[in-house]
Amino acid sequence: RKEVEQDPGPFNVPEGATVAFNCTYSNSASQSFFWYRQDCRKEPKLLMSVYSSGNEDGRFTAQLNRASQYISLLIRDSKLSDSATYLCVVNPSNTGKLIFGQGTTLQVKP
Amino acid sequence: EPEVTQTPSHQVTQMGQEVILRCVPISNHLYFYWYRQILGQKVEFLVSFYNNEISEKSEIFDDQFSVERPDGSNFTLKIRSTKLEDSAMYFCASSSDRGGNIQYFGAGTRLSVL
Repeated sequence: RKEVEQDPGPFNVPEGATVAFNCTYSNSASQSFFWYRQDCRKEPKLLMSVYSSGNEDGRFTAQLNRASQYISLLIRDSKLSDSATYLCVVNPSNTGKLIFGQGTTLQVKP
Repeated sequence: EPEVTQTPSHQVTQMGQEVILRCVPISNHLYFYWYRQILGQKVEFLVSFYNNEISEKSEIFDDQFSVERPDGSNFTLKIRSTKLEDSAMYFCASSSDRGGNIQYFGAGTRLSVL
């Protein structure tokens, strides 16, 4: 089983749509969880940290289910500028080493 | 907003040559990292560095790789004898803590080995 697994997509959605991405991780002892965004040939940029209680930042909502080892990201009211690759990232052991998923590509169309 | 800066943005080298990739982490950060991303693949951890020594390294980080913090600001990655398969984007990152704290990434150096 991959350490961090994501559906690569692409997800093609119209502007204004709601889209959800899922991610699973293999190490049940993992400590910290993040969603990063990566534009083509650019660096990963933090979108949001993910907490057990779930957290929301504007149009973005992240959820963590430790029992199922599952992380999700919901984007509401998609904008053209949301088009990017969304990376599920796990810090498995509090050492700072981040494990990245392959990424899920989102294309928002007019 | 403070940022991690990397130079050069693109490095072209011949197989077997040594390259040094440079990074200036965010000034008050204490933990430093190198990652790489081969074109079309996921971002992979190479090494973490704290208090002037390597904290953790991956299987990719073999004897051909080394890291150094030569002064109070720079953090470098050296590849002694480059191979074709070293061609990738190399990202430097830094954080103020190593646990749940956020890592901030530089814009990367694209290394092309010919």
